[in-house]
Amino acid sequence: EAEVAQSPRYKITEKSQAVAFWCDPISGHATLYWYRQILGQGPELLVQFQDESVVDDSQLPKDRFSAERLKGVDSTLKIQPAELGDSAMYLCASSLRGNSPLHFGNGTRLTVT
Amino acid sequence: QKEVEQDPGPLSVPEGAIVSLNCTYSNSAFQYFMWYRQYSRKGPELLMYTYSSGNKEDGRFTAQVDKSSKYISLFIRDSQPSDSATYLCAMSASNAGGTSYGKLTFGQGTILTVHP
Repeated sequence: EAEVAQSPRYKITEKSQAVAFWCDPISGHATLYWYRQILGQGPELLVQFQDESVVDDSQLPKDRFSAERLKGVDSTLKIQPAELGDSAMYLCASSLRGNSPLHFGNGTRLTVT
Repeated sequence: QKEVEQDPGPLSVPEGAIVSLNCTYSNSAFQYFMWYRQYSRKGPELLMYTYSSGNKEDGRFTAQVDKSSKYISLFIRDSQPSDSATYLCAMSASNAGGTSYGKLTFGQGTILTVHP
């Protein structure tokens, strides 16, 4: 079964440093999401793409976070500078269309020291 | 108050027990309801996907939606140790065309342990 690929699986960084996460959705999936999951909580949406366009980034802290999906396929989420409170699991998900079920990758576990 | 409330547990049951997991919500615009299972250090895996009110069964899993009470449930019959995981409810609103926006609002998850 096709999977959403994410890398790296784990990342440890010092505060004020820059970090980047990569996601490759299931082939043919037009909609891509980035979620953040703090330990013990459910995932919260950061940004949603339809093809290469952002359709919802209302919860993205734009002063430090940026996301792009230049060719409408894979995507990168960047944090600069990282803060201690950014420690969390960053999950990428994709769906065939905006109204289809989401399929999640296994995430990147970020620890900021 | 959160839009979706879920009892975090933890919940511990013996193998073979019937498990009941529940969520309540406050946003009447939610039309699509899902249950995800998340194993430790893994991403959420879709278990059940339902639209509006009613029941849906898939093997040992049954999802129920009661929109009048803003309450959804997941039942697991004949629970197995392999069912030990965190269970997340999730829901999304529909747009003017009646299809899901796709954006999910999650509960905080219930940790389930099934012991042999």
